[in-house]
Amino acid sequence: TAGITQAPTSQILAAGRSMTLRCTQDMRHNAMYWYRQDLGLGLRLIHYSNTAGTTGKGEVPDGYSVSRANTDDFPLTLASAVPSQTSVYFCASIASGFNEQFFGPGTRLTVL
Amino acid sequence: DQQVKQNSPSLSVQEGRISILNCDYTNSMFDYFLWYKKYPAEGPTFLISISSIKDKNEDGRFTVFLNKSAKHLSLHIVPSQPGDSAVYFCAASDSWGKLQFGAGTQVVVTP
Repeated sequence: TAGITQAPTSQILAAGRSMTLRCTQDMRHNAMYWYRQDLGLGLRLIHYSNTAGTTGKGEVPDGYSVSRANTDDFPLTLASAVPSQTSVYFCASIASGFNEQFFGPGTRLTVL
Repeated sequence: DQQVKQNSPSLSVQEGRISILNCDYTNSMFDYFLWYKKYPAEGPTFLISISSIKDKNEDGRFTVFLNKSAKHLSLHIVPSQPGDSAVYFCAASDSWGKLQFGAGTQVVVTP
C-alpha cells in the first residue's frame, strides 16, 4: 500500500506563475489536509476537506485553493506564486473516527 | 497566535539517557494530543497520543504525560537511541479533528 503520494518532490517556480501540487491517497480516508512547514513555525493548516465535494479554510489559506472531486485526490493550487510561499508542503489524511493523521513525503517549493 | 508551543527548539541527550520534550497549549477545547516524529526529507510520522481524559499513555520506550490544569504535556523517551534523532512535533486536536502543531524540537542523541 502506497499510503499518500505527493508530486512533485521539489520545484523551483518563478514568481507570478501558477502551480498545482498533487496529493493522492489509497487508504479511502474521508478527510484530507494541506499543511506548510516553515522553520520556527511548525506545520500550519492551509486547507482541508472533510469528505469528497467539500473543502474548508485553515489557518493560512490566502493565495491557495483546493478541490476535492473524489476521495483519493486533493490538489493544492497556487494561482500566482509569491516568494513567501517558499516552503515545504505536506498533504495528510485521516480515517473517520481516528485522530492520527497520515502524512505524505512532502513537496519542497521554492518561489523566486 | 500559536496555541501550541514547544519552547525548546533543540535538545541534546546522551545515548541511553532519558529525553524529555515539553509542550504547552492555550486552548482548553483541545481534547486529544499527539506527538509526531520527523526525519529530514520525510513526512511526519505518528508516534504516540493521549486523550484529554487520561494523564499518561505509554508505548514501549515512549510515554506521554498530560497535565490538563497546567495545559502542559511532555514526551519521555527512555532509553534514548541514535535512531531517535529527529524533529518532534507536538500537536493538539479539537473536536473537529483539525490539528494545531507546535514549532518542533530537534533531538540529537549522541553516542
